[in-house]
Amino acid sequence: AQSVAQPEDQVNVAEGNPLTVKCTYSVSGNPYLFWYVQYPNRGLQFLLKYITGDNLVKGSYGFEAEFNKSQTSFHLKKPSALVSDSALYFCAVRDRIGNTPLVFGKGTRLSVIA
Amino acid sequence: SAVISQKPSRDICQRGTSLTIQCQVDSQVTMMFWYRQQPGQSLTLIATANQGSEATYESGFVIDKFPISRPNLTFSTLTVSNMSPEDSSIYLCSVERYGKETQYFGPGTRLLVL
Repeated sequence: AQSVAQPEDQVNVAEGNPLTVKCTYSVSGNPYLFWYVQYPNRGLQFLLKYITGDNLVKGSYGFEAEFNKSQTSFHLKKPSALVSDSALYFCAVRDRIGNTPLVFGKGTRLSVIA
Repeated sequence: SAVISQKPSRDICQRGTSLTIQCQVDSQVTMMFWYRQQPGQSLTLIATANQGSEATYESGFVIDKFPISRPNLTFSTLTVSNMSPEDSSIYLCSVERYGKETQYFGPGTRLLVL
């Protein structure tokens, strides 16, 4: 069975500082990994994904994430946080094999303080 | 990506009634899904809407409570039947094209049951 862990309910960071939102996963095979962001009263927006190839993937709004197979992690990062980055972030995983659905983590609320 | 709209965007309903939520995509997609996001929670997959056949429901969700239609490749409906306050949630439609790993989400329908 697939699962995703986001160990932090809340991450606070000062504007201009680097941010990291953590995600670890479990799948039986090789994973497809995703990050989504949800702004207040909005749906989910796709940020980035890891499918294959380079372990460092870059996405929208200056975000990036690094796939680490040995640590089964896919942490989201940004070198310099903006107040507008404040939102709810979801990590999601699906197994490459078969038509398996996306499984989401519980979400991490990011607050960037001016 | 795809442009996805949902109607209604929000509603307040009385217990015991039913609400049908519509999801419209601007282009043909292979897969359509319905998710529920309860207050302060992550996303839970309700079912996969199959074009021309019965939806595939996840554990804990049944057709009598959440009947789903998908008459073509751009449209689906989810009905929340015989509602109770526990059904108060955000309901999200998502889509995926064949061979593309990424799911894109609609803006969601916020449902409050009194």
